[in-house]
Order: sequence, then C-alpha cells, then structure tokens
Amino acid sequence: EPEVTQTPSHQVTQMGQEVILRCVPISNHLYFYWYRQILGQKVEFLVSFYNNEISEKSEIFDDQFSVERPDGSNFTLKIRSTKLEDSAMYFCARSTGLGYEQYFGPGTRLTVT
Amino acid sequence: SQQGEEDPQALSIQEGENATMNCSYKTSINNLQWYRQNSGRGLVHLILIRSNEREKHSGRLRVTLDTSKKSSSLLITASRAADTASYFCATDPIAGTNAGKSTFGDGTTLTVKP
Repeated sequence: EPEVTQTPSHQVTQMGQEVILRCVPISNHLYFYWYRQILGQKVEFLVSFYNNEISEKSEIFDDQFSVERPDGSNFTLKIRSTKLEDSAMYFCARSTGLGYEQYFGPGTRLTVT
Repeated sequence: SQQGEEDPQALSIQEGENATMNCSYKTSINNLQWYRQNSGRGLVHLILIRSNEREKHSGRLRVTLDTSKKSSSLLITASRAADTASYFCATDPIAGTNAGKSTFGDGTTLTVKP
C-alpha cells in the first residue's frame, strides 16, 4: 500500500489563527483529497483537487478553507481563521484517478483552543 | 437514513468467529470502498468494489455488493484480536456527478475478544 505522510501529526492553535496542514505526495497519484473527522463522528469529505484545481468541495469547505500545491510537491490545506469547531482529525488522501482506491495519510489532529 | 450507513453500530465476537458488517446507501454509485480505522489512527483501505461487481475477496475479507438493494456487506472470517477496529464503508457517486466526493458511513465498531 502506498505510503501517505502528513505533517504535523498534532497542531494546537488559538481561535482565529491560521493553520496550514501538509500532505506529502506520491508521484503517480494525481488526485488529492482532504477529509475531516470530528471526534466520535463520521469522516466528512472536504475537497478534491486535480491538476491544480478544485474538482469538488463540500458545504463544509467555505471561504475559510483553501487548498494548493505551492511548489508542485506538498499538498496543503489552509484554514484562515480557525474556530473551536474546526477541532478534528484532518486526513489527506490520494488516488491515481477518480473512482480508484483512495489511500489515506495518518492524519493531523487539530486542536483549536 | 443517510448515504453509507453501516449496521450494526457495534459488534463483539470471540476470536475465530466470523464478523459481518452491512452498509446501505441511497443514491447510485460508481464504487464502494471499505476502510478500517484503529482508534485514533488513520484509515486503511481494505477493498474497493465497483458497481458492476457482485463480490470481491482479499485474504480473510469478502465484500458483496447488491446494487438493486443498494447494500454491501463486509465479512471477516476467522477473526483475530488484531481485527478490533472501526470499519467504514464509503461510496463514490457515478463518475461525472460529484465524482470523487466520497460519502462515509458512521461505521461499525468491531471488538474481537481473545
């Protein structure tokens, strides 16, 4: 199984601060996804990204969220002004194409205080 | 009920027994994937089954898909204590409409007692 890595593993931030979560790519994986999982709840789709563009996004992915591949390598999720309810595990996933297996990273635990 | 609902919510069995988890969904799908999640950890991909497939095997795992009933099942045979985890199904919609926007269920928490 392809290895997907994410950094940091855990981030604590104060409400209103900006956070950037990073995902390290695999060369032949063209599609990227971000999901979140609030403690004790189901995994929720945030956004999918292909060819440097957002393919799909959910209602959760509002103007506070953005994604990019700043240097063609890392895939980042930015939350501009964090809220308490943003506290969750954030998972990056990759796949070689739409409708193919998605491989998840270990996640970043974000705690907003 | 929501897209990608698993049942039971919790399942407790003895090592060596088989475990069956079910997933139901509402809308037409391109594929359905099963994942395992150990407590506080990431999701591990188990099996992907496409809408034109009825059954797939991987080791001790067997997944079935019934698109007429909009349901899938995951069977783990000869369970081990290490199989203790939460299991989720996730559906991908038909390609072209919200493609790649996977919807996860609430999951089944499996406990395998040694």
